[in-house]
Amino acid sequence: EADIYQTPRYLVIGTGKKITLECSQTMGHDKMYWYQQDPGMELHLIHYSYGVNSTEKGDLSSESTVSRIRTEHFPLTLESARPSHTSQYLCASTTPPPRDREDEKLFFGSGTQLSVL
Amino acid sequence: GENVEQHPSTLSVQEGDSAVIKCTYSDSASNYFPWYKQELGKRPQLIIDIRSNVGEKKDQRIAVTLNKTAKHFSLHITETQPEDSAVYFCAASRVTGGFKTIFGAGTRLFVKA
Repeated sequence: EADIYQTPRYLVIGTGKKITLECSQTMGHDKMYWYQQDPGMELHLIHYSYGVNSTEKGDLSSESTVSRIRTEHFPLTLESARPSHTSQYLCASTTPPPRDREDEKLFFGSGTQLSVL
Repeated sequence: GENVEQHPSTLSVQEGDSAVIKCTYSDSASNYFPWYKQELGKRPQLIIDIRSNVGEKKDQRIAVTLNKTAKHFSLHITETQPEDSAVYFCAASRVTGGFKTIFGAGTRLFVKA
C-alpha cells in the first residue's frame, strides 16, 4: 500500500549519541519535509527537499542534517543528541501539482517520538 | 515574513453545536488553503481544502470559507460529535518556485458529550 513510513516510532537515547530517523515513502512523491512538533502543538519546518540531491533548511533552526540520495528516502540525522531535541519528528511528502494548480497536499508519516535523557 | 494566524487556540463545544476556527494570512500571493486534523497520537491528515478562485466549499458537516480581500479563511463544523475532538491546523500555500506551505499554530477542539 502506498504510504509514508517512519522508523522508529519511539526512541529513547542518551545525550551525545548520534541518531538517524528514517523516512520512506512509496507514493513516488518528489518533495519531502521534516517537521518538529511537540504533542498537539505547532508544526515547525526544519528541512525539506525538492527531489534527489536537493536539501533545504526550513524555518526553524535545527542542528540536524538530512540527505536525499533516493527519491523515496529522506533520513534525518542528529550528530549529537541533547535533551532540547526531545520532541516528535514528522516526515511528510507531496507531489507537485499540475502547472495551473497551486494545491500542495501534504501526506504525513506517523512520526518518531524522540526522548533524549 | 509570511505567517498564518489561527484562533482560537482552544475551543470547547457541546456535542451537536457548531464550531468555527478562523485563520488570517499575510502573503497575498497565497492561493491554496488546506485544513489538517490531528487526532491524539496520530498524524495530521488533510480533511478539506479551498483554492483561491472559490469562496466556499462544503463536505458533509465541514465547510470552509475564504475571503481573499480580507485574507481570512475559516473552518466550520456543524453538528459536532466527540470524534471531531482533535487539533486542527489551517495552512496557506503559495508558489515560490517550488511551493511552500505555512501552517497556523493549531486549534485544540474539545467536543463534550
